[in-house]
Amino acid sequence: QPVLTQPTSLSASPGASATFTCTLRSGLNVGTYRIYWYQQKPGSPPRSLLRYKSDSDKKQGSGVPSRFSGSKDASINAGLLFISGLQSEDEADYFCAIWYTSTWAFGGGTKLTVL
Amino acid sequence: QVQLVQSGSELKKPGASVKVSCKASGYTISSHAMNWVRQAPGQGLEWMGWINPSTGKPTYAQGFTGRFVFSLDPSVNTAYLQISSLQAEDTAVYYCMRDNYDGTDSFFDYWGQGTLVTVSS
Repeated sequence: QPVLTQPTSLSASPGASATFTCTLRSGLNVGTYRIYWYQQKPGSPPRSLLRYKSDSDKKQGSGVPSRFSGSKDASINAGLLFISGLQSEDEADYFCAIWYTSTWAFGGGTKLTVL
Repeated sequence: QVQLVQSGSELKKPGASVKVSCKASGYTISSHAMNWVRQAPGQGLEWMGWINPSTGKPTYAQGFTGRFVFSLDPSVNTAYLQISSLQAEDTAVYYCMRDNYDGTDSFFDYWGQGTLVTVSS
């Protein structure tokens, strides 16, 4: 079972909101980890969006709009990425990551389609 | 203004070696750890490891030992990834990333543009 699991795709309309989930493997407690989020547009390198552990322990990437935010849902043991006010330029792949046993573990990524 | 500029695409035959460079500007490469990730075609990100900027000591992730070597040349402010005995499965885009570690937390604040390495006979 992978350390981090993400849905492969997500669709949403312009102006709407999107929520990405990053589920930790059973046995790992999401409350323990900082969850990192990256955006990758076709043909471009990833961009660090933010990291989130709690409301008092979070960091926004440089130049990343506040409509990108992080959270957690302990009930499903997942980190969450919210994007509000979706724009066509938000169409991209979104990856999550954690620092786990001295290794960076990445999720498989979720492809966001804005239509 | 910080930038990481990587070397261009490479086409190599199986068994050959390749050396990818990651030239930093806007900061001194010895001040921040450099990480490397691999992205196979149409796939996700796979962390390869990192190099300690102070000691030059590399740390390799599982699956990236033996044929992979990280190095730094502070004289030209450049980090390198060398891969030997290339296999078709090494075909991927390789990215370098600066770790802006603040004492308690890592954050990859700058990424190179990526280098496509294609291994084909």
